[in-house]
Amino acid sequence: EVQLVESGGRLVEPGGSLRLSCAASGFTFTKAWMNWVRQAPGKGLEWVGRIKSNTDGGTTDYAAPMKGRITISRDDPRNTLFLQMNSLETEDTALYYCATRGYSYANAFDIWGQGTMVTVSS
Amino acid sequence: QSALTQPASVSGSPGQSITISCTGTSGDVGRFNYVSWYQQHPGKAPKLLIYDVTSRPSGVSNRFSGSKSGNTASLTISGLQAEDEADYYCNSYTSSNSPYVFGTGTKVTVL
Repeated sequence: EVQLVESGGRLVEPGGSLRLSCAASGFTFTKAWMNWVRQAPGKGLEWVGRIKSNTDGGTTDYAAPMKGRITISRDDPRNTLFLQMNSLETEDTALYYCATRGYSYANAFDIWGQGTMVTVSS
Repeated sequence: QSALTQPASVSGSPGQSITISCTGTSGDVGRFNYVSWYQQHPGKAPKLLIYDVTSRPSGVSNRFSGSKSGNTASLTISGLQAEDEADYYCNSYTSSNSPYVFGTGTKVTVL
């Protein structure tokens, strides 16, 4: 079964740091371009960032609001994606999804996890 | 990069057809045929409905169809059913520093 399972979300104080994980199974993770997408409570979807497959360079791109505060990385032998978030702000409170892009269907987010909740509050 | 513009809500009766618009700019929707649509039921992850403007993934009902004209993409749901009540989001590749942008989202209500 194709699956993405996020973990690591929790309550954290403003200014704190957090690392989210996304475990992949059922497909060839090494070929996948991986993304993080977040959704604040009651709000819409917001793209956070991506990392290309290592065969395509393994480079990263980040959304402007989070640039400089986040780092996306991948561990291909462990089929795991990471999102390191620093200097967290209350506005970063959201459900964070990992998703593949273009794995089965070109130019679309085609496999999604169920999300992990990050709450930034004092 | 501003979000693509969608109507906040659209409603229709069972069996009717409805259309959701997604308006961007010449730097995203107007420039690339990389528009995709997602359905999200409450408490669930988004699900891919349409990719590359008009293509449907395997298993997605042919009641869902996509199109594009200029800077505006559209999702049409024909033969509206109760199970179609959900939030819908468009997404486009962009030429800006951030490669992808989502729409503001549309809540579909089946009357």
